[in-house]
Amino acid sequence: EVVMTQSPDTLSLSPGERATLSCRASQSVSSSYLSWYQQKPGQAPRLLIYGASTRATGIPARFSGSGSGTDFTLTISSLQPEDFAVYYCQQNYNLPWTFGQGTKVETK
Amino acid sequence: QVQLQESGPGLVKPSETLSLTCTVSGGSISSYYWSWIRQPPGKGLEWIGYIYFSGSTSYNPSLKSRVTISVDTSKNQFYLKLSSVTAADTAVYYCARVGILIGYYNDYWGQGTLVTVSS
Repeated sequence: EVVMTQSPDTLSLSPGERATLSCRASQSVSSSYLSWYQQKPGQAPRLLIYGASTRATGIPARFSGSGSGTDFTLTISSLQPEDFAVYYCQQNYNLPWTFGQGTKVETK
Repeated sequence: QVQLQESGPGLVKPSETLSLTCTVSGGSISSYYWSWIRQPPGKGLEWIGYIYFSGSTSYNPSLKSRVTISVDTSKNQFYLKLSSVTAADTAVYYCARVGILIGYYNDYWGQGTLVTVSS
């Protein structure tokens, strides 16, 4: 099983600041099969990024993804109030498909 | 716009079988993979398994002996059965479509349904 480890567990930032979230895989994952999700309390996860760097429909340009192999990054260039949430990465390359444990972006 | 809706009992007794239905609207169930994912209260996401519209499946080994996912293309529905449940199976259960433009990813999700295992 590919273990996805996200860091940090919690990121405390102010609106307008840049957020950098890390996702590390225990073995190499094709970047085509790496996705990022945002989840707010009481809501289902929402797809942000697929293929490691392609924004999903309707996702603002302040969200960007990068990385390859075992190291992937989600960057939010300037945090908006609605961006404070939990973010998950997922690999769909090797079965079983696995999620990271999540990074909570909270208001400082 | 594709929409997914989970339905089923919100309370299941220990040792019994959890059964959920996911109804897909706004698009055909054909030509896609469809996933079940769960989230225990206050915890992260766990992939349960997927089914292709043709009926082929893959399950998480951690649940494989207890899970069955099936599909009825005529009803545009797919299903989850989880047997011999315990309190550890208490979670919000989501169904999701697996997008296939680049690799695989979950592009459409249901709102989720909380299933509590308790006597």
